[in-house]
Amino acid sequence: GAVVSQHPSWVICKSGTSVKIECRSLDFQATTMFWYRQFPKQSLMLMATSNEGSKATYEQGVEKDKFLINHASLTLSTLTVTSAHPEDSSFYICSASGTGLINEQFFGPGTRLTVL
Amino acid sequence: GDSVTQMEGPVTLSEEAFLTINCTYTATGYPSLFWYVQYPGEGLQLLLKATKADDKGSNKGFEATYRKETTSFHLEKGSVQVSDSAVYFCALRARAAGNKLTFGGGTRVLVKP
Repeated sequence: GAVVSQHPSWVICKSGTSVKIECRSLDFQATTMFWYRQFPKQSLMLMATSNEGSKATYEQGVEKDKFLINHASLTLSTLTVTSAHPEDSSFYICSASGTGLINEQFFGPGTRLTVL
Repeated sequence: GDSVTQMEGPVTLSEEAFLTINCTYTATGYPSLFWYVQYPGEGLQLLLKATKADDKGSNKGFEATYRKETTSFHLEKGSVQVSDSAVYFCALRARAAGNKLTFGGGTRVLVKP
């Protein structure tokens, strides 16, 4: 139980284009989803926290107009990197948590974004 | 603010060696403590956790004990395998922070046959 998927697992795009990454909780309702960014050989940096049906809360220094987060349902959150540039290349990981016994964070497998 | 400090890697070991990864934390109150493991190219998997002082988390031969007096949560395994090669992250969840996790920098472990 408590499986989280991400799609796509990797994506390559041209500079200036937008990329959407999906995060789904497959077998539980995720009241909260988190988006992280991980640089090579570094720790995870929390970008934002989103609760279903409300606006995401962004961490300091994260551009909300650059990284659009939508949490429209209890099983799906999306991260859109708008007008991507090479410096946005990174590994993006989402996690989801529910309530009760599933209030821990369960992590997706990650999405590797490469912007050319 | 809350923070987690763990030993820098990489840690290189031979198979069947003893592994220790140190982790200390700073937090207000009594946080929950976690160890996550990340295999190459994958997301994080929860390895073990402890929610109060003196609790011992254990899983897959790994153990860690929540030590309030030393604010530590060191990870240990008595006999590592090549398949334990991964990056290990110590993390805390403060009670006032909801489900938000604070991660340490990660420790890369390489086990050689």
